[in-house]
Amino acid sequence: EVQLVESGGVLVKPGGSLRLSCADSGFTFSSYGMNWVRQAPGKGLEWVSSISDSSIYIYYADSVRGRFTVSRDNAKNSLFLQMNSLRAEDTAVYYCARNRAAGEVDYWGQGTQVTVSS
Amino acid sequence: DIQMTQSPSTLSASVGDRVTITCRASQSISSWLAWYQQKPGKAPKLLIYKAFSLESGVPSRFSGSGSGTEFTLTISSLQPDDFATYYCQQYHSYPRAFGQGTKVEIK
Repeated sequence: EVQLVESGGVLVKPGGSLRLSCADSGFTFSSYGMNWVRQAPGKGLEWVSSISDSSIYIYYADSVRGRFTVSRDNAKNSLFLQMNSLRAEDTAVYYCARNRAAGEVDYWGQGTQVTVSS
Repeated sequence: DIQMTQSPSTLSASVGDRVTITCRASQSISSWLAWYQQKPGKAPKLLIYKAFSLESGVPSRFSGSGSGTEFTLTISSLQPDDFATYYCQQYHSYPRAFGQGTKVEIK
């Protein structure tokens, strides 16, 4: 069974940093591109970042480029999101999600809550 | 960047109704479109990929159509479990973009 389990979400002050993790199991992690998608309270889904299976291709939304860094450790079946210079508008549930080869997202984690507030 | 626009934002319907949600892309995305269903407090669930392909395990009352810039998600006979928010997403190019969502409410 495919499982994506996010962790690392906490309350952090504006300007602070946070590292989210996503532990993956039930599939060959190194064969899949992965994504981070977020959802602010009461709002819609917002794509944040994607990373290819071998980390060669990495993409970011304009809203996070230069502040967030996505990475993965295929040996440990893990996906990461390093979040720096956090702002109130980064407050959201952050989902880890798997890409199929064509690009559609077929599995999602349960999400981890990030709150940026003083 | 490609923008995705869904309509309507909210839809009130009754069990048994036929429901149609529209998604428009700001430029052609061929058939690289997915539809997701999300219930409160839960992660999204993939319903339709490549505009019209039904994801395994998804009831056949869900169908997708369209190509280029105009797409629709149809629920042929709305069931109690279908009251949720639906999102389209293009995966033709980066940055990926979601529509703003359509909430299907009980009439």
